[in-house]
Amino acid sequence: AQTVTQSQPEMSVQEAETVTLSCTYDTSESDYYLFWYKQPPSRQMILVIRQEAYKQQNATENRFSVNFQKAAKSFSLKISDSQLGDAAMYFCAYRSGSRGAQKLVFGQGTRLTINP
Amino acid sequence: DAGVIQSPRHEVTEMGQEVTLRCKPISGHDYLFWYRQTMMRGLELLIYFNNNVPIDDSGMPEDRFSAKMPNASFSTLKIQPSEPRDSAVYFCASSRTGQRPQHFGDGTRLSIL
Repeated sequence: AQTVTQSQPEMSVQEAETVTLSCTYDTSESDYYLFWYKQPPSRQMILVIRQEAYKQQNATENRFSVNFQKAAKSFSLKISDSQLGDAAMYFCAYRSGSRGAQKLVFGQGTRLTINP
Repeated sequence: DAGVIQSPRHEVTEMGQEVTLRCKPISGHDYLFWYRQTMMRGLELLIYFNNNVPIDDSGMPEDRFSAKMPNASFSTLKIQPSEPRDSAVYFCASSRTGQRPQHFGDGTRLSIL
């Protein structure tokens, strides 16, 4: 079974600085998808960024980018120019690329604090 | 487009009562998921549907839990009888066929006293 590990329960960063959240996963599959979701205090689960395993290029969404290392099974999230609104729990998630596979496997989350 | 809509947002009830959580997926999405979030276990998939048919219910904790999807725009998750250990945030999510990402509702915070 696939597992997702986020080794940093909490992180903090100064406003306008850059922070990197770590995620590793375990799978024997070659085709899969990886996601980062953000959960602010309002409790919503918001998709931040997505990466297809077959793509070598790292995904980027404005201030959010990933460092996808397939061989190392690592999928870190970099937040540049941190803003107060970035404060939230961040969850890394895995989904198999097998036809019909839909189950998301989540890590335990990293709580990110932004210091003004 | 409206997002995934869940109701109620909060539910507080006494042990032994029946609890019904509701979800309206995004129009056009043919997958619907129910998740439970607790401090101890994190986010767990309970069950998911495709075209209103349950596909995988292996995450449903026990027979006290049941889920239905009578049509493409509505699903319920029922707990009967409820127990204090069922206290959690329950999320509904939906997605479209084609390995599209899942979109989550705002969740229902359930407290069983």
